[in-house]
Amino acid sequence: GDSVTQTEGPVTVSESESLIINCTYSATSIAYPNLFWYVRYPGEGLQLLLKVITAGQKGSSRGFEATYNKETTSFHLQKASVQESDSAVYYCALGDTNAYKVIFGKGTHLHVLP
Amino acid sequence: GPKVLQIPSHQIIDMGQMVTLNCDPVSNHLYFYWYKQILGQQMEFLVNFYNGKVMEKSKLFKDQFSVERPDGSYFTLKIQPTALEDSAVYFCASSRDISGNTLYFGEGSRLIVV
Repeated sequence: GDSVTQTEGPVTVSESESLIINCTYSATSIAYPNLFWYVRYPGEGLQLLLKVITAGQKGSSRGFEATYNKETTSFHLQKASVQESDSAVYYCALGDTNAYKVIFGKGTHLHVLP
Repeated sequence: GPKVLQIPSHQIIDMGQMVTLNCDPVSNHLYFYWYKQILGQQMEFLVNFYNGKVMEKSKLFKDQFSVERPDGSYFTLKIQPTALEDSAVYFCASSRDISGNTLYFGEGSRLIVV
């Protein structure tokens, strides 16, 4: 079936360090999957961080980047230098342009130490 | 950014009773979703609703569940009767269109069935 697997948290890093949160997907029933990273900051609703709908392309937002790699079925989230305000729960997700649902990973809780 | 509002934020209810969770989606959005997240587990798709109809539902969307959006008001999830395993956080989401699947989420309604 279709699924998303991401780094189990919590992940703790110090401010200004680099970050990578791994995400791999399985899209057995989706010919052209769309890939997303959503984020939930403390006290807020889940919101889109970035999305990529074409294999080989890179998405970026707020200093975060993720590249849609069809060969390795991965969509890892990276940031060169994290800030304390990046502390949140990050969800990798998979969608189908022609379907009506988005499949989420379990979420990765990120703690950034000052 | 656009906001999705959910009412109530939390509710405790006796098993067997009925509960209605309300969602006020983004004003020009046409597609509405409910997701369910049990504590410590993955957020899972329940149902998608468009033009007055359920477009797709998962196996988690039991017969006791129903959704509607009467006259463009709240998009509601009704559970009747409730069961202990319905205890979870229910997230409402909306999107303007289906292509690209960018969802806007509410902060969730925490339901505790006792």
